[in-house]
Amino acid sequence: GAVVSQHPSRVICKSGTSVKIECRSLDFQATTMFWYRQFPKKSLMLMATSNEGSKATYEQGVEKDKFLINHASLTLSTLTVTSAHPEDSSFYICSATGSYNEQFFGPGTRLTVL
Amino acid sequence: DAKTTQPNSMESNEEEPVHLPCNHSTISGTDYIHWYRQLPSQGPEYVIHGLTSNVNNRMASLAIAEDRKSSTLILHRATLRDAAVYYCILRDAPGGGADGLTFGKGTHLIIQP
Repeated sequence: GAVVSQHPSRVICKSGTSVKIECRSLDFQATTMFWYRQFPKKSLMLMATSNEGSKATYEQGVEKDKFLINHASLTLSTLTVTSAHPEDSSFYICSATGSYNEQFFGPGTRLTVL
Repeated sequence: DAKTTQPNSMESNEEEPVHLPCNHSTISGTDYIHWYRQLPSQGPEYVIHGLTSNVNNRMASLAIAEDRKSSTLILHRATLRDAAVYYCILRDAPGGGADGLTFGKGTHLIIQP
């Protein structure tokens, strides 16, 4: 089956710094990728839709200037958390859309902001 | 997306079958029923999907009621590795569609050895 990877799997940073998370589709091309956030014991919440070669579409309540998304190629989307604060600590998960619109999820990135 | 209702948690014994219910009384005629599961500290993974007929794959079976207002995910022989949160999601496309998925609370499946 299709594989989606994320890097890093875990990151700890200081408050005020920026963190970049990569999402790659390893054996297929994905014109659309999605970014989700999950707080402890909660369900995944869709943050944004990332389209190759165009601007990302953000869900209501998600600050586009804080969560910068770049989808520069058909196999890579990046999420940059700018000026991170402790409340941004969460589990960030990406997914990529396959040929039949099925979604393949990455393993997630756990961000801890001190 | 049409709403689904699942029990918060279920418990089963290892090597026994597990039936996970999902109610979707407001399902539309074009909605597909998808199941995903999320193991602890991992991203979700696709399990199965169907429209009207029952479906089987190597992971599970999906039984869909005749009126399509409910469905049941069946794990034929649960193992400890099946302990996860199972999500029932309706989408108007056979795959995920062009939009992101809306996850409800899901069912937390506990497997006892």
